Amino acid sequence: AQSVTQLGSHVSVSEGALVLLRCNYSSSVPPYLFWYVQYPNQGLQLLLKYTTGATLVKGINGFEAEFKKSETSFHLTKPSAHMSDAAEYFCAVSRGAGGYNKLIFGAGTRLAVHP
Amino acid sequence: DGGITQSPKYLFRKEGQNVTLSCEQNLNHDAMYWYRQDPGQGLRLIYYSQIVNDFQKGDIAEGYSVSREKKESFPLTVTSAQKNPTAFYLCASSVRGAGETQYFGPGTRLLVL
Repeated sequence: AQSVTQLGSHVSVSEGALVLLRCNYSSSVPPYLFWYVQYPNQGLQLLLKYTTGATLVKGINGFEAEFKKSETSFHLTKPSAHMSDAAEYFCAVSRGAGGYNKLIFGAGTRLAVHP
Repeated sequence: DGGITQSPKYLFRKEGQNVTLSCEQNLNHDAMYWYRQDPGQGLRLIYYSQIVNDFQKGDIAEGYSVSREKKESFPLTVTSAQKNPTAFYLCASSVRGAGETQYFGPGTRLLVL
């Protein structure tokens, strides 16, 4: 069965510091991997996704993630945090069996950015 | 503008009452989904539909029902059998097929009186 683990339910960084949000997955088949961001009382917005090809994926708002098959990881990074990055971030893996596009989400990581 | 709309933004349910959450999309997507979000638990799949007049149970379907009579619409009914309905409900849609991006609506917060 596929699953997603996000290490750290809360991460706090200073403005301008590196952001690193960790995501590990388990999957018996090549995974499709996603990072979404959620601002308070809003829906989820796609940051980036990995399907096939280049393992370093660039997304919106300066975020990127690297798919590492040997480590079963898909960590999200941003070189310099901005106050507007404060939000909750979700990693997800797609259960593609039978052509269905069902997502399994991690529990989320809340990012706080301090001045 | 293309997108997904959910209504109402807030919904209050009385004991023993069924309530229906609306989800509409104009993205021409075949697939639609309902998720429940509770603090610290991420999103859990309630129901999904790949095509009109067809839908499947997700991981936590008990106490919920859906219909898919039109491509654009996928309403969710929270029945009185759902004993703990207080949560944030999110609707999403996508093109059919594994690995396709799911696009989310703004959500409905359901509270019990």
